[in-house]
Amino acid sequence: DGGITQSPKYLFRKEGQNVTLSCEQNLNHDAMYWYRQDPGQGLRLIYYSQIVNDFQKGDIAEGYSVSREKKESFPLTVTSAQKNPTAFYLCASNPVGGTGNTIYFGEGSWLTVV
Amino acid sequence: AQSVTQLDSQVPVFEEAPVELRCNYSSSVSVYLFWYVQYPNQGLQLLLKYLSGSTLVKGINGFEAEFNKSQTSFHLRKPSVHISDTAEYFCAVSDSDSSYKLIFGSGTRLLVRP
Repeated sequence: DGGITQSPKYLFRKEGQNVTLSCEQNLNHDAMYWYRQDPGQGLRLIYYSQIVNDFQKGDIAEGYSVSREKKESFPLTVTSAQKNPTAFYLCASNPVGGTGNTIYFGEGSWLTVV
Repeated sequence: AQSVTQLDSQVPVFEEAPVELRCNYSSSVSVYLFWYVQYPNQGLQLLLKYLSGSTLVKGINGFEAEFNKSQTSFHLRKPSVHISDTAEYFCAVSDSDSSYKLIFGSGTRLLVRP
């Protein structure tokens, strides 16, 4: 079945460590996104990419980095510069072009700093 | 900048009662409007979307929403809720200039009681 796969589902990070969250999609979508969700808050956009080898900062990009070497993959690295990384991270994708295209979401990854 | 306001952080309701979840947006341009549902520890699933045409939009699971341009609202309704409707509901907006990006509200937790 087509969809978006995020891994791992749960991840623990020690202070000062970088960690990478994986996101893979087989929907043949051009655009991919990373959102952060904190309890009681909506989703905030971290980074997005509309095409391979190109990506843009969202509203809260500081302390995060991404790459888009393949159409199917958009990994997110949470660096040690991110001071409050504990959150639920959601990867999403949609076709570029057209209007009002539905954005599809993965199942999410929980990151906890220990 | 666009914004989305969901006035109610939590809405408790008894099973088989009707429910309305409120959503207001701020935008001076044409907008596309979405409602997503999130079950615990999962990603978001599209309930319905408004792109153009009829202001009454029907979605999955018996939900519907009405676009009101003069009041800049897009309230979600269901005439009779089930226990299984207990979840977090997010309203989101994008505009014609950046239709690939969504701005989310803070979410409304619907709690259906027996």
